[in-house]
Amino acid sequence: DAGVTQSPTHLIKTRGQQVTLRCSPKSGHDTVSWYQQALGQGPQFIFQYYEEEERQRGNFPDRFSGHQFPNYSSELNVNALLLGDSALYLCASSFLTVSYEQYFGPGTRLTVT
Amino acid sequence: GNSVTQMEGPVTLSEEAFLTINCTYTATGYPSLFWYVQYPGEGLQLLLKATKADDKGSNKGFEATYRKETTSFHLEKGSVQVSDSAVYFCALGDSGGGADGLTFGKGTHLIIQP
Repeated sequence: DAGVTQSPTHLIKTRGQQVTLRCSPKSGHDTVSWYQQALGQGPQFIFQYYEEEERQRGNFPDRFSGHQFPNYSSELNVNALLLGDSALYLCASSFLTVSYEQYFGPGTRLTVT
Repeated sequence: GNSVTQMEGPVTLSEEAFLTINCTYTATGYPSLFWYVQYPGEGLQLLLKATKADDKGSNKGFEATYRKETTSFHLEKGSVQVSDSAVYFCALGDSGGGADGLTFGKGTHLIIQP
């Protein structure tokens, strides 16, 4: 049973650039959520996708956008990168009916220089 | 809004000691509660959960009881091992049927010494 996978594992970008992170959900799951985890902090909710639409959004600016594909995989896009965007980005998947019970991928470590 | 408060770390214990990591929450309605564990360089793993008051979640010797009267979900283990060294996060999710972004505490770094 494949768990949640994310790519790439690590990424280094320059301030002002754009980045795309990818996530494949656990087999059978239909809902994907994205979180940002700064060093030494707990994860912060960015947004959640179901049926290719954003269902809920946390307190993040419009520079953060996402997409979900028909096969339930998802992308997180961040435009105009800031130094403060450096973090571990976690993807979590779930069933819509129990979307509070989420399973996490290993994360993508983004460093902005 | 929802919030989770957990004890600051690091918590350093000797092997076979008893562990308690405190977690309290603020939420509207009746949230589900979770403990996640994060090993160095890895993502979060769901350790245990409880979906209603007085439920006890348990896994790998860890347990936590959903106490609505004290809005708490403390994590306990009777005898810790070096391999339990990790960061532990308490989290809550809205089980009311809405879209569920989990709310996490800041994490407690647990260090077990041989």
